[in-house]
Amino acid sequence: DARVTQTPRHKVTEMGQEVTMRCQPILGHNTVFWYRQTMMQGLELLAYFRNRAPLDDSGMPKDRFSAEMPDATLATLKIQPSEPRDSAVYFCASGLVPIGGWTSYNEQFFGPGTRLTVL
Amino acid sequence: DQQVKQNSPSLSVQEGRISILNCDYTNSMFDYFLWYKKYPAEGPTFLISISSIKDKNEDGRFTVFLNKSAKHLSLHIVPSQPGDSAVYFCAANSTGNQFYFGTGTSLTVIP
Repeated sequence: DARVTQTPRHKVTEMGQEVTMRCQPILGHNTVFWYRQTMMQGLELLAYFRNRAPLDDSGMPKDRFSAEMPDATLATLKIQPSEPRDSAVYFCASGLVPIGGWTSYNEQFFGPGTRLTVL
Repeated sequence: DQQVKQNSPSLSVQEGRISILNCDYTNSMFDYFLWYKKYPAEGPTFLISISSIKDKNEDGRFTVFLNKSAKHLSLHIVPSQPGDSAVYFCAANSTGNQFYFGTGTSLTVIP
């Protein structure tokens, strides 16, 4: 049963600390997304990668957030330093996009999320 | 700026009745629309989609309607069941570009 996994599931930290969230996409998927869920904005896209290369990270606060894919089985989202306003649920999703680009069926498979609380 | 809007944060419906969830969008370039369902402590899961060349797509109890002139889509669930209680997200995409999600509508189906 292929699924996206995320660790940790919950993280409580103090303001100023570094936070690293990890995601293992579904094997064979070539696109990975990072989203943040907040009450006010819903699901916001932070960044996404295609074949491990960053395609768009315009949704991320660049001064404190960074996203990487060290290899095809691991994506990371790092916040340094963390702030209380970063408290949210962070989702990773993966999908398989054909060589020609998105088709009419663009399903993304979401992980269970990391609930981050910054005190 | 929110390009996809779900103006009803919550909705309560009696079991067996119809649930109608609404979504509005602002970008006329969007050509593909999806609904995701999310249970607590889980990630969203894909529910149903519709291409802009259609105005209706049906899958069992779920039907999505698209009104391009009004930039509006809706999800109908008939009949509603208690297991449908979840948060529903509307999303939109223009081919090759990122997805835009709404803020979600929490549906409660009362037994």
